[in-house]
Amino acid sequence: DTAVSQTPKYLVTQMGNDKSIKCEQNLGHDTMYWYKQDSKKFLKIMFSYNNKELIINETVPNRFSPKSPDKAHLNLHINSLELGDSAVYFCASSQEMGLASDTQYFGPGTRLTVL
Amino acid sequence: QKEVEQNSGPLSVPEGAIASLNCTYSDRGSQSFFWYRQYSGKSPELIMFIYSNGDKEDGRFTAQLNKASQYVSLLIRDSQPSDSATYLCAAYPPYFGNEKLTFGTGTRLTIIP
Repeated sequence: DTAVSQTPKYLVTQMGNDKSIKCEQNLGHDTMYWYKQDSKKFLKIMFSYNNKELIINETVPNRFSPKSPDKAHLNLHINSLELGDSAVYFCASSQEMGLASDTQYFGPGTRLTVL
Repeated sequence: QKEVEQNSGPLSVPEGAIASLNCTYSDRGSQSFFWYRQYSGKSPELIMFIYSNGDKEDGRFTAQLNKASQYVSLLIRDSQPSDSATYLCAAYPPYFGNEKLTFGTGTRLTIIP
């Protein structure tokens, strides 16, 4: 039943490690996104993919590498984790980017804590 | 820098009253605007969106858009304690290659029983 799902829900790791977060949507949407929400609750886009093609790549360190194996999945791999990477990462999807009414639906989030 | 600004609050409103949440945006090319509600520890969930000047009503919620003033608001009538959350305003300027939501920092709303 879950529309947009993410795993894991919580991730606690040491500085310097590499970790991945997975996202899946069963809404049949063409577009998927990764957002980062910091401790002040500011939600900022990191990447967007449309039909497996990277569309938006905000100013994100290249330690972050998204990958979309198909339209329903978007994963985020993070190398050499730093303390500042601690945040909640949200995956989202929408039907068709570019439409004024295109609505984004968010996954439950992954709370990443880097020690 | 294209921005969306909201008063961070907290905004306290008595139960049963009208809560008014405001948002301004700097990009005149923004075509549509979204209001999301986020409970603590949860993900943002869509309340409603608006892209035409004027009012749009959905149940207890009314979104208002004034493109000339670059101003969006959300009214919540008959406020309930369950409305206590952070409300995020987002603008969508779907320029080719820049189709992304720009969020404000959110307004924390507390409904007082």
